[in-house]
Amino acid sequence: EPEVTQTPSHQVTQMGQEVILRCVPISNHLYFYWYRQILGQKVEFLVSFYNNEISEKSEIFDDQFSVERPDGSNFTLKIRSTKLEDSAMYFCASRPGTANYGYTFGSGTRLTVV
Amino acid sequence: EDQVTQSPEALRLQEGESSSLNCSYTVSGLRGLFWYRQDPGKGPEFLFTLYSAGEEKEKERLKATLTKKESFLHITAPKPEDSATYLCAVQETSGSRLTFGEGTQLTVNP
Repeated sequence: EPEVTQTPSHQVTQMGQEVILRCVPISNHLYFYWYRQILGQKVEFLVSFYNNEISEKSEIFDDQFSVERPDGSNFTLKIRSTKLEDSAMYFCASRPGTANYGYTFGSGTRLTVV
Repeated sequence: EDQVTQSPEALRLQEGESSSLNCSYTVSGLRGLFWYRQDPGKGPEFLFTLYSAGEEKEKERLKATLTKKESFLHITAPKPEDSATYLCAVQETSGSRLTFGEGTQLTVNP
């Protein structure tokens, strides 16, 4: 069964450093997402991406964050100048076009900022 | 603002003891209500999407139902491998983001 692949599975970074989280969505999917889950809290939407541009973003997704689809397969989330409160699980998700609303999530990247 | 409330927060069942999880939602226009299963340290695993009140979907021991204000996830004769956190999420007609509830942590004892 097709799956969303995320790398790395765990990343530890120093406060103030930049990190890039990587995702390979399912190949025929058209919509791409990033969500995060702080330990013990609910899954929160960050950003959606369609047709090579951001289609929707949350209040969390400020200038510290950016997304990119550098080629036909990868989808990245960049966090500039990380803060302690950025420590969380970051999930990538993708879904097909409008005819099917099924979202497939990856296994996540656990980001720890020290 | 969309709101999703799940209850109970945690539920312990004996193997074979059927029960239901609740998801209450407030949304201006519902495009879809989603149920996911999440194991510790893993991403949400898709279970069901419900689109309109009265709709029901089943998968093995799980059955999801939807009304205009809430959804239920019924678990019939659960097994220990059903232990997980069950997440409910809504998608509004005006966007594509999912708004999640806090989840119900289900433990099924053998």
